Amino acid sequence: AQTVTQSQPEMSVQEAETVTLSCTYDTSESDYYLFWYKQPPSRQMILVIRQEAYKQQNATENRFSVNFQKAAKSFSLKISDSQLGDAAMYFCAYRSADSNYQLIWGAGTKLIIKP
Amino acid sequence: ETGVTQTPRHLVMGMTNKKSLKCEQHLGHNAMYWYKQSAKKPLELMFVYNFKEQTENNSVPSRFSPECPNSSHLFLHLHTLQPEDSALYLCASSQDMASGDDEQYFGPGTRLTVT
Repeated sequence: AQTVTQSQPEMSVQEAETVTLSCTYDTSESDYYLFWYKQPPSRQMILVIRQEAYKQQNATENRFSVNFQKAAKSFSLKISDSQLGDAAMYFCAYRSADSNYQLIWGAGTKLIIKP
Repeated sequence: ETGVTQTPRHLVMGMTNKKSLKCEQHLGHNAMYWYKQSAKKPLELMFVYNFKEQTENNSVPSRFSPECPNSSHLFLHLHTLQPEDSALYLCASSQDMASGDDEQYFGPGTRLTVT
């Protein structure tokens, strides 16, 4: 069975600095999708970025980028120029590319932004 | 309203009560999901509906009963709950479950406390 591990329960970063959130996963499959979701305090969970395992190029969305290391089964999220609005819980999730549509979630990392 | 809405936002109920959670999506999506979110744990998928048909029941106790009268509405009926059922219950929807990179859109959740 697939698993997703986020080893950092909490991270803090100074405003305008860069922070990297870690995510590792375990799977025997070769094709799958990886996601980072953000859940701000008392607000809805939203998708930040996604990556297909077959794409070698790391996904980027404005200040958010990933470092996808398929062999190492690592999928870290880098947030550049951190802003106060980035404070949230960040969840890493895995989904098989086959008929199993279920997302496998990590336990989350709480990101604190220091002004 | 837009997106995914959930009511009520907060619910306190005794173990002998019967209550229902409501979710409505205004996105024209075909799939809807119920998740349980407990602190410091990965999201737990409870139920999935695709085109109003239940496609997943992740060994959820029978004291939780889902209902999906149409593709826009999803209910979670609760009865004789236990204190360990206290959690944030999230509803989500997505367009196409068959697509691997299908993004899920979340509601704000219902914070349930069982006394």
